[in-house]
Amino acid sequence: QSELTQPPSVSGAPGQGVTIPCTGSSSNIGANYGVHWYQQFPGRAPKLLMYDYTYRPSGVPDRFSGSKSDTSASLTITGLQAEDEAVYYCQSSDTRLSGPVFGGGTKVTVL
Amino acid sequence: EVQLVQSGAEVKEPGESLKISCKGSGYSFSTYWIAWVRQTSEKGLEWMGLIYPDDSDSRYSPSFRGQVIISVDKSISTAYLQWTSLRASDTAMYYCVRFIDRVEDSLDVWGQGTMVTVSS
Repeated sequence: QSELTQPPSVSGAPGQGVTIPCTGSSSNIGANYGVHWYQQFPGRAPKLLMYDYTYRPSGVPDRFSGSKSDTSASLTITGLQAEDEAVYYCQSSDTRLSGPVFGGGTKVTVL
Repeated sequence: EVQLVQSGAEVKEPGESLKISCKGSGYSFSTYWIAWVRQTSEKGLEWMGLIYPDDSDSRYSPSFRGQVIISVDKSISTAYLQWTSLRASDTAMYYCVRFIDRVEDSLDVWGQGTMVTVSS
């Protein structure tokens, strides 16, 4: 059971948008820690996709965006492309664990 | 280029010891926190522990405290994850990762991963 909750999968047609929610608690997201998102392709290490809710590292397309609300966060992909098919993880920090916590991952399928 | 390069895949038997490595390059290794993260299909990504290379200050996740040892040799920009007695349940992919700044922040650089298989 992961500390942050994500749906196992979401899907969308090319060009459509999908949103991945990430639900936490008062000891992590609700404690005002940042939420970060990672993208992982099969056989590869995760890669930082978004940090502190809304900031994209250099090279990440602007069709990826993030938001926060109380004890949850979300990642939105607009204009879905075939190359976006991957597993996406959210991550925050936790006051009880004194370290990072992760969501279980959401597989995005492009129909 | 900033990167973390990990040692290769390992196949071990239960009860054996193991030490895997993670070498940083392209940045000031001593001044960035490094963490070890385990990935399994059952439990996903799990933080194991972290270390600050400059003074070897280390912290462990409650789930892994006493099960592994994290160390560093800053003279060669290398962090280590060590087991004294492996179990089948240690079979997993292990990543070393760099914190972008504080340990509350994001993980901006990931090693390529080290697959550890423990089987008799």
